Amino acid sequence: SYELTQPPSVSVSPGQTARITCSGDALPKKYAYWYQQKSGQAPVLVIYEDSKRPSGIPERFSGSSSGTMATLTISGAQVEDEADYYCYSTDSSGNLRRFGGGTKLTVL
Amino acid sequence: QVQLQESGPGLVKPSETLSLTCAVSGYSISSGYYWGWIRQPPGKGLEWIGSIYHSGSTYYNPSLKSRVTISVDTSKNQFSLKLSSVTAADTAVYYCARDVGTMVRGVIIYYFDYWGQGTLVTVSS
Repeated sequence: SYELTQPPSVSVSPGQTARITCSGDALPKKYAYWYQQKSGQAPVLVIYEDSKRPSGIPERFSGSSSGTMATLTISGAQVEDEADYYCYSTDSSGNLRRFGGGTKLTVL
Repeated sequence: QVQLQESGPGLVKPSETLSLTCAVSGYSISSGYYWGWIRQPPGKGLEWIGSIYHSGSTYYNPSLKSRVTISVDTSKNQFSLKLSSVTAADTAVYYCARDVGTMVRGVIIYYFDYWGQGTLVTVSS
């Protein structure tokens, strides 16, 4: 099966840079996407196609990808950025969707 | 603005079939795109269940494929999920979402852009 691996948790102080990684064997051929999920809410797309930001997402959110690793970077993390973050991609066929296990970001 | 709304029983007995419907507004399912179901057990991560095209073509998560049926009703602009032989492990918040395909490097990549608010389904006797 196709797996996406994320660290369970990341913790930073307000104003610091938070980096959340996602590793997967198919990432060199497929784009990574990142979703933010705040407590009790539906996920929201914050990065698509490795590094693009949907309208309405703050500029402090950025993404990059190299080889089998994708990274979500939050520059100058704010308290309101505390959430679970999920990477997402597909298998090599593009038909089977997959989420990473999720990373809990703590900003305090 | 595309909106999705899940509906269905919040409590299902073990061994029975879970049935949910997702009503779509602000976009006609017949116009295209896949439409998907994702679930999240309490305190755990997101799991893709499956997706359906307006024509009825489907893709399912291999781990659930034997128990899942997703169907679409374009006349009502909605799509549905059936999960059979449920156990307590199927207790989760179930989300429906629009499953967008974009051409990237010659291959179509699918991802979810609009999501419903989610509905909690508990499996218990």
